[in-house]
Amino acid sequence: QLQLQESGPGLVKPSETLSLTCTVSGDSISSSRYYWGWIRQPPGKGLEWIGNVYYSGNTYYNPSLKSRLTISVDTSKNQFSLKLRSVTAIDTAVYYCARLGVIYQLQSYFDYWGQGTLVTISS
Amino acid sequence: DIVMTQSPDSLAVSLGERATINCKSSQSVLFSSKNYLAWYQQKPGQPPKLLIYWASTRESGVPDRFSGSGSGTDFTLTISSLQAEDVAVYYCHQYYNTQTFGQGTKVEIK
Repeated sequence: QLQLQESGPGLVKPSETLSLTCTVSGDSISSSRYYWGWIRQPPGKGLEWIGNVYYSGNTYYNPSLKSRLTISVDTSKNQFSLKLRSVTAIDTAVYYCARLGVIYQLQSYFDYWGQGTLVTISS
Repeated sequence: DIVMTQSPDSLAVSLGERATINCKSSQSVLFSSKNYLAWYQQKPGQPPKLLIYWASTRESGVPDRFSGSGSGTDFTLTISSLQAEDVAVYYCHQYYNTQTFGQGTKVEIK
């Protein structure tokens, strides 16, 4: 059974870098045929796609976040990570990692989700 | 960006009655006979759960009271007979051009 688990600090200061990791179990990112992604949800609000990554390291970012964003993959640890620089209060959200459900396909729905982790931006 | 607009923002339906949620995209998400449109259910404190993909294909394990329809720019999620456990927020999601979600529709019991 595929499982995804987000981890990282729950509190980040304004102007600093938000860093999160998603650990995948039940499947191998390096041999997987799937893309992996990040989505966030501000408290009480809707969902916003952040970006996707393939095991090869190819990345695809939300244009509105692209200038501050780095998503990477570590196949040796079966993890992928998110770094969002220069954060402000509007980056406060629950951050989810997820798998894109169509093999080899960037244009895909998300079929498996982590439980999410709340990151608060505050001094 | 493709903008996804759901209606209504919330609805209250009696148990056993039909619930209908609409989703309109600002441009067509139909390509090669496939509509790049999914529906998710999110309960409080939980991640979204995939219900429907390719606009009308039910995910494995999803009850058949959930169905999706529509094509091009107009889509509908129908719950044929609302159950208490269906109280949730429902989101549509286009994956044709990057990824964007609707604002969500809250379904409650009347």
